[in-house]
Amino acid sequence: SQQGEEDPQALSIQEGENATMNCSYKTSINNLQWYRQNSGRGLVHLILIRSNEREKHSGRLRVTLDTSKKSSSLLITASRAADTASYFCATGPSNDYKLSFGAGTTVTVRA
Amino acid sequence: DVKVTQSSRYLVKRTGEKVFLECVQDMDHENMFWYRQDPGLGLRLIYFSYDVKMKEKGDIPEGYSVSREKKERFSLILESASTNQTSMYLCASSFSGSDETQYFGPGTRLLVL
Repeated sequence: SQQGEEDPQALSIQEGENATMNCSYKTSINNLQWYRQNSGRGLVHLILIRSNEREKHSGRLRVTLDTSKKSSSLLITASRAADTASYFCATGPSNDYKLSFGAGTTVTVRA
Repeated sequence: DVKVTQSSRYLVKRTGEKVFLECVQDMDHENMFWYRQDPGLGLRLIYFSYDVKMKEKGDIPEGYSVSREKKERFSLILESASTNQTSMYLCASSFSGSDETQYFGPGTRLLVL
């Protein structure tokens, strides 16, 4: 069942601006992951944050996790046209290794 | 680099046909997954396999079956294709640890007429 819900559904920003998207989930998790999907392609893993972590960085990506609010955010700094894609959060439940994906946030970066 | 390949990028089939979608991974992953992706619904898990010949139903298994005879290969079978199975099908694989990421194939866009 779909556990993660991303917000907003779509985002349009100018090149160089930051993009922030949020993910909320319902049950306890072991980890939360973010994936990117370019149009018509498969998903590519971006970053994983464990339930005992609060913040994680990878290049221009910053992920936060608030387990008390059951929410996460993904920040892309200094966006580029190549960041145009759909971004999905996926939650890994405590008792399982399957992932539950949200419906995604579509990000468009305008040149 | 992990590689997950899917047998077709695009497929057009007629209602009632039997359809085979093949997925192969080269990283010796224990877990393999089949998802379908529809606009506004995200990825929904159809079936997954955690070992050769082992399978478990996902959230939407109706109308589908799977086969895993070898560790590297996971097949999705539509026994009698219907128009509501028109979708993007994504295969993924992962190791079996608790913090493992999934590696996805490029997807198969299936149109059932």
